[in-house]
Amino acid sequence: DAGVTQSPTHLIKTRGQHVTLRCSPISGHKSVSWYQQVLGQGPQFIFQYYEKEERGRGNFPDRFSARQFPNYSSELNVNALLLGDSALYLCASSTAGTGISYEQYFGPGTRLTVT
Amino acid sequence: GNSVTQMEGPVTLSEEAFLTINCTYTATGYPSLFWYVQYPGEGLQLLLKATKADDKGSNKGFEATYRKETTSFHLEKGSVQVSDSAVYFCALSGGVTSGSRLTFGEGTQLTVNP
Repeated sequence: DAGVTQSPTHLIKTRGQHVTLRCSPISGHKSVSWYQQVLGQGPQFIFQYYEKEERGRGNFPDRFSARQFPNYSSELNVNALLLGDSALYLCASSTAGTGISYEQYFGPGTRLTVT
Repeated sequence: GNSVTQMEGPVTLSEEAFLTINCTYTATGYPSLFWYVQYPGEGLQLLLKATKADDKGSNKGFEATYRKETTSFHLEKGSVQVSDSAVYFCALSGGVTSGSRLTFGEGTQLTVNP
């Protein structure tokens, strides 16, 4: 079975530009979450979507936005990129949106470098 | 809010040594606790989990027990292998306002030498 897939694998952008990252969850999973992992740190929660609705948002500025499509895939958008946005962006999927014990399965991530 | 504190790393061990990575947490309510592992250049893999007090999670020789009285979830393995070299993250989900989002510790880099 295919796991969580993310695209692109790597991305280099310039300050001020916009970026879109994509995620496809495991088949049958309806929840997608996004995390930012800065080098040398643990992942930080950005968003969770379940059944195409936002179910949670972390402490990130409004430059960050996301959406979930009818097929449960998701996009993360970041506007007006800053150098500090350079990180590994991880997508995770799970079967449910609110159960705290549901396992989240992570994709390989998108490495974003802002120059 | 929720928080997770892991022992400072990096940790370097010889093959077959005993491993302990300490993890303590702060959370309201009754969180679920997890250990994730990240190999170089890869995403996170769930290693084990525990969903209530005194539960023991185990997988691939790794174990961790959910201790509510000490708010801890220490990771242990009796005999590490070179292939265990990776970064290990302790995480929790739950609490009054956090739902299923994961809160991670800073990670502990483990290097096992032959």
